[in-house]
Amino acid sequence: QKEVEQDPGPLSVPEGAIVSLNCTYSNSAFQYFMWYRQYSRKGPELLMYTYSSGNKEDGRFTAQVDKSSKYISLFIRDSQPSDSATYLCAMSLLNTGTASKLTFGTGTRLQVTL
Amino acid sequence: SAVISQKPSRDICQRGTSLTIQCQVDSQVTMMFWYRQQPGQSLTLIATANQGSEATYESGFVIDKFPISRPNLTFSTLTVSNMSPEDSSIYLCSVPIQSGAFFGQGTRLTVV
Repeated sequence: QKEVEQDPGPLSVPEGAIVSLNCTYSNSAFQYFMWYRQYSRKGPELLMYTYSSGNKEDGRFTAQVDKSSKYISLFIRDSQPSDSATYLCAMSLLNTGTASKLTFGTGTRLQVTL
Repeated sequence: SAVISQKPSRDICQRGTSLTIQCQVDSQVTMMFWYRQQPGQSLTLIATANQGSEATYESGFVIDKFPISRPNLTFSTLTVSNMSPEDSSIYLCSVPIQSGAFFGQGTRLTVV
């Protein structure tokens, strides 16, 4: 069993839809949770960073962490074609400023259509 | 934030040869990470590059296959040695920050 499970998609939605992306994990010691966006032929770009359980909102993006269920989500409101990318969840045991190793999901490919 | 320049951006190499990937950061950083991203797989940490000491390798990765240099606080190289088609992948360098990590644009390696 992988430490982090993520549906690879592809997920296709119409422009303006609300997108829900999810990851489950098995290691209850993970405390820091991240979402990255990766465009084709580019490196991952950090979108959201959260600590422990709860919600965090940044513009059209909302990250949710439910540690009791070992489940994290990223919601994208009013999705745009420019949101078409692969979204990677990642998590770490310690604060990444201490150079803690990141454990990634496989990524979900999202396509937002006109 | 940090700007990470990685090169080459892509290469096609013959099996049995070696490729050295360079990673330059626009600020001094203590740690640099090297990841591999194989098709359909998650990013996997190869090793942590420490300035002034030997790199620390993750399980399944060895120094003879992936030698790493870290001559100063802004630069690192990863060499993929004696390549086989199974080494075809994207290789990424990364710099940890307080709230996540920055990544270079990656090196897309194809071994034929």
